[in-house]
Amino acid sequence: KNEVEQSPQNLTAQEGEFITINCSYSVGISALHWLQQHPGGGIVSLFMLSSGKKKHGRLIATINIQEKHSSLHITASHPRDSAVYICAVFNTDKLIFGTGTRLQVFP
Amino acid sequence: GAGVSQSPRYKVAKRGQDVALRCDPISGHVSLFWYQQALGQGPEFLTYFQNEAQLDKSGLPSDRFFAERPEGSVSTLKIQRTQQEDSAVYLCASSSSDRGFYGYTFGSGTRLTVV
Repeated sequence: KNEVEQSPQNLTAQEGEFITINCSYSVGISALHWLQQHPGGGIVSLFMLSSGKKKHGRLIATINIQEKHSSLHITASHPRDSAVYICAVFNTDKLIFGTGTRLQVFP
Repeated sequence: GAGVSQSPRYKVAKRGQDVALRCDPISGHVSLFWYQQALGQGPEFLTYFQNEAQLDKSGLPSDRFFAERPEGSVSTLKIQRTQQEDSAVYLCASSSSDRGFYGYTFGSGTRLTVV
């Protein structure tokens, strides 16, 4: 079993829909990252969370430390949001990555 | 530079060939990480440098993999006698904080294909 699990693995949506991507982890962490990876490999850091909730534009990330669960929400989704979203947890001294959620938003 | 730069962007190697992948981190970033990302998978940790010291190489899959950062800035990941299972995207990330706790900047990766 992977230490970081994401769901769903693949997600399609119509433009404007509200998107939720989930991440569950089984190890102790000091922080959790949400990352966005576009085709071609470039990775952009979206959020780093250790508790509560963060918001940036149309993106919202929440974390529940007791339940070892985090969610990434995208409001009013747009085709340019199409990418792979990766959850990664900071454990001891390194990041452990989930396998990612591939999101496609159609106009 | 403004970001983490990796070169080459793409590399095709014949099985058995040695390859060297380069990472130029953001100037002044103390932490540097190498990750291997197989197709359809999340990145897997390979090795970590704090300045010139390689503090963790537990993720290197075999002794054919070697990484160095001799002056605490540019890093090179070398793979000797490449095998087909080495085909992956190799990602480099750097951070201004010790062990990258406060966040990372990733390069665009080097896509290695071993034929």
